[in-house]
Amino acid sequence: DAGITQSPRHKVTETGTPVTLRCHQTENHRYMYWYRQDPGHGLRLIHYSYGVKDTDKGEVSDGYSVSRSKTEDFLLTLESATSSQTSVYFCAISPGQGLNNEQFFGPGTRLTVL
Amino acid sequence: EDQVTQSPEALRLQEGESSSLNCSYTVSGLRGLFWYRQDPGKGPEFLFTLYSAGEEKEKERLKATLTKKESFLHITAPKPEDSATYLCALSGSSASKIIFGSGTRLSIRP
Repeated sequence: DAGITQSPRHKVTETGTPVTLRCHQTENHRYMYWYRQDPGHGLRLIHYSYGVKDTDKGEVSDGYSVSRSKTEDFLLTLESATSSQTSVYFCAISPGQGLNNEQFFGPGTRLTVL
Repeated sequence: EDQVTQSPEALRLQEGESSSLNCSYTVSGLRGLFWYRQDPGKGPEFLFTLYSAGEEKEKERLKATLTKKESFLHITAPKPEDSATYLCALSGSSASKIIFGSGTRLSIRP
């Protein structure tokens, strides 16, 4: 398995609170991604990173921010969580030029916003 | 706009009963078409990448094929452990992201 861990694995929080999810890799891959997975929508890209301090928006980036201060860590922050952000969040990594290559996924974080 | 549609949504087979899963797509300049397997409560697991029409790849009981409009994941003599959701995804030259289909939920009965 690719060396990807996510923390926490489960979290329950209340509307309006800030939440940070962490993705850690041991593969030294350049590209890292955050997705959310919801029934009926499949996997949707939130943000991605193509290097330290280099990030860009995906298709569902509103309400989310990211940071990457080290190659191995990619953080996803919900500044003020809403119930619509209840979802399963997956981190993925990719070698080389990410869009031409397969992605390797972490185990996921199940987030519930009450 | 790039699109991916998978069918059927769910498929139940008897052990040993071969079948195919379909991934139809529209894209402007295919960079790659990907197949993943996802078990309940886990992240997707990479299976195959296909880059051009006519290409085929195999792994154990799975074989992926690609045409200019579709990709098929053929499963031969499946076993119960092949039960999972299979996801198709593609990357096109006009978009800076990979688009995933909603998946086919495959169930193999012993």
